[in-house]
Amino acid sequence: SYDLTQAPSLSVSPGQTASITCSGDDLGNKYVCWYQQKPGQSPVLVIYDDNKRPSGIPERFSGLNSGNTATLTISGAQAIDEADYYCQAWHRRAVVFGGGTKVTVL
Amino acid sequence: QITLKESGPTLVKPTQTLTLTCRFSGFSLTTSGLAVGWIRQPPGKALDWLALIYWDDEKRFSPSLKNRLTIAKDTSKNEVVLTMTNMDPVDTGTYYCVSSQGRLEREPFDIWGQGTMVTVSS
Repeated sequence: SYDLTQAPSLSVSPGQTASITCSGDDLGNKYVCWYQQKPGQSPVLVIYDDNKRPSGIPERFSGLNSGNTATLTISGAQAIDEADYYCQAWHRRAVVFGGGTKVTVL
Repeated sequence: QITLKESGPTLVKPTQTLTLTCRFSGFSLTTSGLAVGWIRQPPGKALDWLALIYWDDEKRFSPSLKNRLTIAKDTSKNEVVLTMTNMDPVDTGTYYCVSSQGRLEREPFDIWGQGTMVTVSS
């Protein structure tokens, strides 16, 4: 099976940059999506195709994917960005999710 | 505006079969490129992809669960039905219906339903 590895948690001060990583074998040759999930809510797509933002997602969210690591960056983190973040990719006709990273802004 | 809404039992007993229905609006699953799928999330845990059905009836399943899952669409009702056999307490969680566009194995799940909580307990 194919695994995507994320750190369980990350803390960032308001206004600072949060970098959330997702690692997988040869991940740079796949397309990565990122989802934000706040408590009690359904996930929301924040990045697709490695680095594209859906309509309505703030510019402070950006993505990169190279080698074995994809990174979601929140530039100028705000309190409203506190959430769980999941990476996702396709591997051999199946969808794989990372284990999620809980981002705390304080 | 695309919406998806899940429905089904909130409680099932171990060994029973779970049947969940996703009713959607704002699109038709007869439209080339569209797909509807299911993703679950145990309490406090990560997302776990289950299955996907495309407009042309191609189906994809989680390798670890494929022997327990079926997925079907009823385009006249705008519904997708997921069944999971031999339910176990570890299958407890929120089950989400999702939609995507395309079949290049890069498409995100851009719309999510509100989710339905399923508890497996005797």
